[in-house]
Parts: sequence; C-alpha cells; structure tokens
Amino acid sequence: EAQVTQNPRYLITVTGKKLTVTCSQNMNHEYMSWYRQDPGLGLRQIYYSMNVEVTDKGDVPEGYKVSRKEKRNFPLILESPSPNQTSLYFCASSLFQGAGTDTQYFGPGTRLTVL
Amino acid sequence: AQSVTQLDSQVPVFEEAPVELRCNYSSSVSVYLFWYVQYPNQGLQLLLKYLSGSTLVKGINGFEAEFNKSQTSFHLRKPSVHISDTAEYFCAVKAGGTSYGKLTFGQGTILTVHP
Repeated sequence: EAQVTQNPRYLITVTGKKLTVTCSQNMNHEYMSWYRQDPGLGLRQIYYSMNVEVTDKGDVPEGYKVSRKEKRNFPLILESPSPNQTSLYFCASSLFQGAGTDTQYFGPGTRLTVL
Repeated sequence: AQSVTQLDSQVPVFEEAPVELRCNYSSSVSVYLFWYVQYPNQGLQLLLKYLSGSTLVKGINGFEAEFNKSQTSFHLRKPSVHISDTAEYFCAVKAGGTSYGKLTFGQGTILTVHP
C-alpha cells in the first residue's frame, strides 16, 4: 500500500532533550516536506526537500533540522526542543518537484508535547 | 507570496442540509487551488483540486468547489451533508511555475454535522 509513515505518533519530552521524528514514503517520491499544524494557524511548512541531499527552509524553520540521505526517508530533528515547538507535525511527499499538477500525500501526524 | 483566508473557523450544520465552506486567496501569480480534509486523528486527504480549465471542480465524497478568479475565491460546497463529513477542512494554494511544491494553507474550518 502506498503511504507515508511517521514515527512516533505521540511523543512527550522535556525541554532541551534532542529528538528525531522519522518520515518514510514507499512511493519513490522526489519531493518531501514537513509541516506543523497549530490551532487557528493551519499548516505551516518547516522544511522541504526536492531530492536526495537537497533541502531548503520553509516558512518556520527555526529550531529544526532535516536531512535527506535516502530518497524514502526525511527525518525531522529537534536539537533542543522548547515548549513553543509543542504541535502536530505532518510529513508529506509528492512524485515530482511539487509541480502544480502533482498531489501531496500526507502522513498520519506526530503529536509532540514539550514540557 | 500567496496567502489563504478561510472565512469561517467553525460551521455547524444539520444532517442532509447543504453546506458551503468559504476560501479566499491572494497571489500575484497564477495559482493552483486545493481542498484537503482531516478526519479526527488522521492526516490530510485531498478532496479536490483546481489546476486549469472548468471552474467547477468535483471531488470525492460528493464535494465540489468553484474557482472564481475575479473574486479570488474557491468555496467548497456539498448539497447534502452526512454525519461522516464531520472533520476539519483546509483550503490551500500553490503558486504556478517553479514553486517547488510549497502549499500555503488556510487556518482551517471545522465542519460539525449534527443529527
């Protein structure tokens, strides 16, 4: 089954403790992206990747890192999480470099709480 | 840069009633428009998209949307809703050309269908 998977689905952590949220897709998609969803703000893009070893900042990249060493994986790294990073995170992927005719597929989400 | 405004944060309706969820956008270039649905505790699923051509777009689950360029709107409609349509709905816009897939989302509209 074609899908985007994220792990963990739920995570509670403390300020300053490094964490990684994994994202994997099995559709051989070139484009991958991370979003955060906050009430009243919709989804905002954190980082995106157009292919292996090609990443760039989205609208809200501060406090996050990403890497794209393999085409299928796009982990999101929080080196020193803070409470304002408490949010619902979504990974998404699409086949081409985000052309308008291309559909983005979303993972199930990771709910992160930073105490 | 583009932006999206969803005019209603919450829309309560009774089952079998019609519904319209409103979306306005702004952009200095041509755009592609999308509606996504998020059921409770799930990721986002594409409902429909407007890329070009006919301004009336039909999607899944009986939803449709109309692109109005002069009013920069892309309202979502369904003639008769079901309890199962209860979800949060997001309007999104992507600039035409080499935008590398960046989707700009609205704030979301929570549709609650009452029996």
